Amino acid sequence: DAGVIQSPRHEVTEMGQEVTLRCKPISGHDYLFWYRQTMMRGLELLIYFNNNVPIDDSGMPEDRFSAKMPNASFSTLKIQPSEPRDSAVYFCASRKRDGYTFGSGTRLTVV
Amino acid sequence: AQSVTQLDSQVPVFEEAPVELRCNYSSSVSVYLFWYVQYPNQGLQLLLKYLSGSTLVESINGFEAEFNKSQTSFHLRKPSVHISDTAEYFCAVSDSSNTGKLIFGQGTTLQVKP
Repeated sequence: DAGVIQSPRHEVTEMGQEVTLRCKPISGHDYLFWYRQTMMRGLELLIYFNNNVPIDDSGMPEDRFSAKMPNASFSTLKIQPSEPRDSAVYFCASRKRDGYTFGSGTRLTVV
Repeated sequence: AQSVTQLDSQVPVFEEAPVELRCNYSSSVSVYLFWYVQYPNQGLQLLLKYLSGSTLVESINGFEAEFNKSQTSFHLRKPSVHISDTAEYFCAVSDSSNTGKLIFGQGTTLQVKP
């Protein structure tokens, strides 16, 4: 079991550019979550999916953020256009029943 | 909706001393409770969890937490800490129905000093 795999591990981009973060959940897990971690706001739930269907996106900060889960083994979080205040660590997690497993995160820096 | 409050943002403690990290939650439904640990520049690792049954749960590295429903608390304790326990600790709650959103507290930084 390779765990939850996120890519890239680090991303540095210029303000205004499009950024795409990727996540491969654990096979068989039926929930997928995207979180954002910052010093000021801690760990915030952005959106989560159940069986590839978005269930709650109330945490998505703005329309610049979008997330998709085209199949059970892949999800993306896209920011377009990116802004410096989007700089954070973005975590993906997957869940089966009561067990949540987190990826190693993507550290995004927008300059 | 659930919420979690971690009462201390930083807890400094000397090596081999006991420690308690406090966590209170709010929920109108039954909950599952979790403690995660995050070492610098790493992801979150599950430390322990309460789902049902015994209110005292233990981890393999000497931490324990007790679910107290009347006080809506899930404090984390360790009788003797090591330098290697220095990390950030997050308390989290999810409702025990199948919606399964995991909501985190703000985190507590445990600083173990020699």
